[in-house]
Amino acid sequence: GESVGLHLPTLSVQEGDNSIINCAYSNSASDYFIWYKQESGKGPQFIIDIRSNMDKRQGQRVTVLLNKTVKHLSLQIAATQPGDSAVYFCAENTGTASKLTFGTGTRLQVTL
Amino acid sequence: DTGVSQNPRHKITKRGQNVTFRCDPISEHNRLYWYRQTLGQGPEFLTYFQNEAQLEKSRLLSDRFSAERPKGSFSTLEIQRTEQGDSAMYLCASSLMDRGQGGYTFGSGTRLTVV
Repeated sequence: GESVGLHLPTLSVQEGDNSIINCAYSNSASDYFIWYKQESGKGPQFIIDIRSNMDKRQGQRVTVLLNKTVKHLSLQIAATQPGDSAVYFCAENTGTASKLTFGTGTRLQVTL
Repeated sequence: DTGVSQNPRHKITKRGQNVTFRCDPISEHNRLYWYRQTLGQGPEFLTYFQNEAQLEKSRLLSDRFSAERPKGSFSTLEIQRTEQGDSAMYLCASSLMDRGQGGYTFGSGTRLTVV
């Protein structure tokens, strides 16, 4: 398949370690945030979302942290697996707009 | 329902030709979005529909682009007089009106190459 994000920032982690992917968002009015995973040749896949009235939300092996003061979002992946290798995007949305605005992606490489 | 379906998956066309892409959203989703993604970038918003009404268009959507969702179900995106700069992945997504219900579901996209 064709590569997504040939010149993206890359995070390389060993299998079994925890991964932390960071994202800075731009719009202080954004009140809903989503993390997506994108594998080569595929569309973005929903991972987890969080509303601005929360600081933290947990899913299965994933946690999203939101710091509205500094407009920062992070995705933590526990016990990273080879299948987690992909490009990860954060996306933001405001209550007055239906569109999502995507940040710069991060390529996660899981080494054995 | 297996998710958002896009056709074709790949399209190669000569500069100046017209192309049309189709998107079939998740059946109960009333909102449908089109995004464009170039290599190394996140998806960029083009336009969205609520049912059959086109409610917002990005400035990226030039006059050569037109999108329709005639019966509030599937949607088509047409590009007229294609240019090399139109080469990109065109992604469709759908959602329910209420956000937070699993986010927006994306299709696998249509990869357009203009030669």
